[in-house]
Amino acid sequence: DGGITQSPKYLFRKEGQNVTLSCEQNLNHDAMYWYRQDPGQGLRLIYYSQIVNDFQKGDIAEGYSVSREKKESFPLTVTSAQKNPTAFYLCASSPINSGMDEQFFGPGTRLTVL
Amino acid sequence: ILNVEQSPQSLHVQEGDSTNFTCSFPSSNFYALHWYRWETAKSPEALFVMTLNGDEKKKGRISATLNTKEGYSYLYIKGSQPEDSATYLCAFNRGSTLGRLYFGRGTQLTVWP
Repeated sequence: DGGITQSPKYLFRKEGQNVTLSCEQNLNHDAMYWYRQDPGQGLRLIYYSQIVNDFQKGDIAEGYSVSREKKESFPLTVTSAQKNPTAFYLCASSPINSGMDEQFFGPGTRLTVL
Repeated sequence: ILNVEQSPQSLHVQEGDSTNFTCSFPSSNFYALHWYRWETAKSPEALFVMTLNGDEKKKGRISATLNTKEGYSYLYIKGSQPEDSATYLCAFNRGSTLGRLYFGRGTQLTVWP
């Protein structure tokens, strides 16, 4: 079954700790994206990657970091520098980094900072 | 950051009613407009990707139109069913930003049996 997996589904972290959210796809897609959702807001882009070993900042990249060492994997690290990390995080992918391609989404990770 | 507006924010209809929502986006530098359906506890799924002014797309009881000159798209659902209950997201792409999508806040539809 082709798709995108994110783990864990729920994540709790203490203030001051870094935490890494996993995103894996077996769709052979080149492009991958990380979004954040807060109540009452649209999805906001954190980082995106067009190809392995390349990634660009989105609109709210401060306090986050990513890597793209393998085509199928695009982990997101929420660092202690992120002032308000409690949110729902969605990972997505598309065949290429083109606006004409639909994006395929994972099930999301809900991060809560205690 | 581009502004993509969706209205209404939420909508409650009876089973069998037809309904429509609006997505407004910048009319300059248009490249593509996406519609996604996001059911509770599931992942968002693409409904349509529209690129041409005057485009109309249809999937079952759901259809969408696009006006790139004035910067709006309508999503129609004919004869709403409870399984249509979901949040409907639109997202704008302006080409120069490659695959980057700018999402609206969504319209939350509830269909009562």
